[in-house]
Amino acid sequence: DTGVSQDPRHKITKRGQNVTFRCDPISEHNRLYWYRQTLGQGPEFLTYFQNEAQLEKSRLLSDRFSAERPKGSFSTLEIQRTEQGDSAMYLCASSRQVRTDTQYFGPGTRLTVL
Amino acid sequence: AQKITQTQPGMFVQEKEAVTLDCTYDTSDQSYGLFWYKQPSSGEMIFLIYQGSYDEQNATEGRYSLNFQKARKSANLVISASQLGDSAMYFCAMREGPGGADGLTFGKGTHLIIQP
Repeated sequence: DTGVSQDPRHKITKRGQNVTFRCDPISEHNRLYWYRQTLGQGPEFLTYFQNEAQLEKSRLLSDRFSAERPKGSFSTLEIQRTEQGDSAMYLCASSRQVRTDTQYFGPGTRLTVL
Repeated sequence: AQKITQTQPGMFVQEKEAVTLDCTYDTSDQSYGLFWYKQPSSGEMIFLIYQGSYDEQNATEGRYSLNFQKARKSANLVISASQLGDSAMYFCAMREGPGGADGLTFGKGTHLIIQP
């Protein structure tokens, strides 16, 4: 199996700019998740897709954040008007709808907002 | 209240020794899943082991085993015969309910360092 891939791996941007991250899940996985991880913490859930439908959004996902999964395959996470507090690792995971529903994570995109 | 509690921020263990990483959880759901992930310094989260709330046997995967005590709401990870490559952050996580809709809730992690 090809694992979950994310692009870019690193992004440095200035406050106020928009950024977009991409996630390609494992090919037969119909569920896709986005998480945010800050230094010294575990990942925090942001949002979840089943196929192309966005079924759950955390209250951490402010109006400046939007995620899409247009054809039920890859997903994008966009942050508008970035703030320094958005600096974090953004992790994508995918899973197959089976009993264990184990989520497999990508390498993450590290965002630094200057 | 925290849903996942990992009480050991850091641990030092001698190579080849067994190590137990603690995890307690809090949920009112009857159906839930417990996971352990390893995160090396490279940043990628690596799945290690899964335990379902209805599983009667403790899960095992190679050198990893999960000591599941449902009444105590604990799900400790045991690594047998530790190796230098086991040095990493370890996260306990929980999925509540039978489906995947809410994502995983993670603890703060334990930083494990294996010493030669």
